[in-house]
Amino acid sequence: GAVVSQHPSWVICKSGTSVKIECRSLDFQATTMFWYRQFPKQSLMLMATSNEGSKATYEQGVEKDKFLINHASLTLSTLTVTSAHPEDSSFYICSARIIPSYGYTFGSGTRLTVV
Amino acid sequence: DAKTTQPPSMDCAEGRAANLPCNHSTISGNEYVYWYRQIHSQGPQYIIHGLKNNETNEMASLIITEDRKSSTLILPHATLRDTAVYYCIVRANFGNEKLTFGTGTRLTIIP
Repeated sequence: GAVVSQHPSWVICKSGTSVKIECRSLDFQATTMFWYRQFPKQSLMLMATSNEGSKATYEQGVEKDKFLINHASLTLSTLTVTSAHPEDSSFYICSARIIPSYGYTFGSGTRLTVV
Repeated sequence: DAKTTQPPSMDCAEGRAANLPCNHSTISGNEYVYWYRQIHSQGPQYIIHGLKNNETNEMASLIITEDRKSSTLILPHATLRDTAVYYCIVRANFGNEKLTFGTGTRLTIIP
């Protein structure tokens, strides 16, 4: 089945540094990927929609200069958390739509801890 | 996307059928009902989806009422590994529309 590989699975970084999270579609081409953030005991909140070869579309309230998204190829999308702060500590998950089944497949998530 | 309403939590005995309800009274004609689940600290996993007819796969069954205003996900023989948060989502199947998650139902399987 369609698989999205997400790396790293967890990362600890210091305040003020940047962290890059990668999502790769392994056996299909993903023209669109979605990035979610999930705080403890809460549901997934969509941050942005990443389109191959064009600028990402951010949800209201998400800082595009802080959460940089690049989708340069049909199999790779990256999320970079710039100048990370402790409040950015969260579980970040990517997703891609599977065509033609209309389903969505998700990465395994990245737990970011900013200290 | 139309909104869904699910009970916040449910318990089910191991080996019994787990029936998870979902209300989607404002669903429109071209919107499908999707079910996903999320086991702790993992990405969501697709379970099943349907439009009008009941659906069954190796994981679960989906029962959609005739008026499509509610549905029930059935896990026929629940195991401890089925403990997770289950999300019911409705959306249309066109374009690259985003998947919007509600609060879901936290299902706990009891030994």
